[in-house]
Amino acid sequence: AAGVIQSPRHLIKEKRETATLKCYPIPRHDTVYWYQQGPGQDPQFLISFYEKMQSDKGSIPDRFSAQQFSDYHSELNMSSLELGDSALYFCASSFRNTEAFFGQGTRLTVV
Amino acid sequence: AQSVTQLDSQVPVFEEAPVELRCNYSSSVSVYLFWYVQYPNQGLQLLLKYLSGSTLVKGINGFEAEFNKSQTSFHLRKPSVHISDTAEYFCAVSEGRAAGNKLTFGGGTRVLVKP
Repeated sequence: AAGVIQSPRHLIKEKRETATLKCYPIPRHDTVYWYQQGPGQDPQFLISFYEKMQSDKGSIPDRFSAQQFSDYHSELNMSSLELGDSALYFCASSFRNTEAFFGQGTRLTVV
Repeated sequence: AQSVTQLDSQVPVFEEAPVELRCNYSSSVSVYLFWYVQYPNQGLQLLLKYLSGSTLVKGINGFEAEFNKSQTSFHLRKPSVHISDTAEYFCAVSEGRAAGNKLTFGGGTRVLVKP
């Protein structure tokens, strides 16, 4: 069965650079979620989209933005990167308010 | 606001022994409850979920959990663990209206299965 696809799997950026993470949800899923998992931490909700509209917002820094495109894929844009942004970023998708399925994550390292 | 507490940060257990991972939640509304497993350098895989109905929920890989509303708990159990069960386990809640709402996770429990 198709799963949530995230790219890239690994990303190394320098401080103050910009990063773009991509997420391709499971086909027919209408909701996309982004989570951030710091080292040794539990995942923290960042933002979600339902049918291409932002549906909920968590503890997402102002330096971050996200959107969902017409083909339902989503991108998380992160600017002015800081060392503390180093984390595993998960995308998840769901269909009509059922449970969320997670991707493998993108490991971002800021140096 | 909802919160999730996993009472044990680490649980060492011998192979073929039983294991129980404890999870308590607090919420002002009805919730949906989940257990996810995360293997090293992997994503989160859904083990099981409680949405409604029977309070005893069976999941994949021989895991089961029991929802106890009066104690606001959702403990995860497995009668006999394997080495391959070594992983981090997260309890999570989705508040109110739908299972598709954002998840609030507990701090995780690292299970180390010893031979």
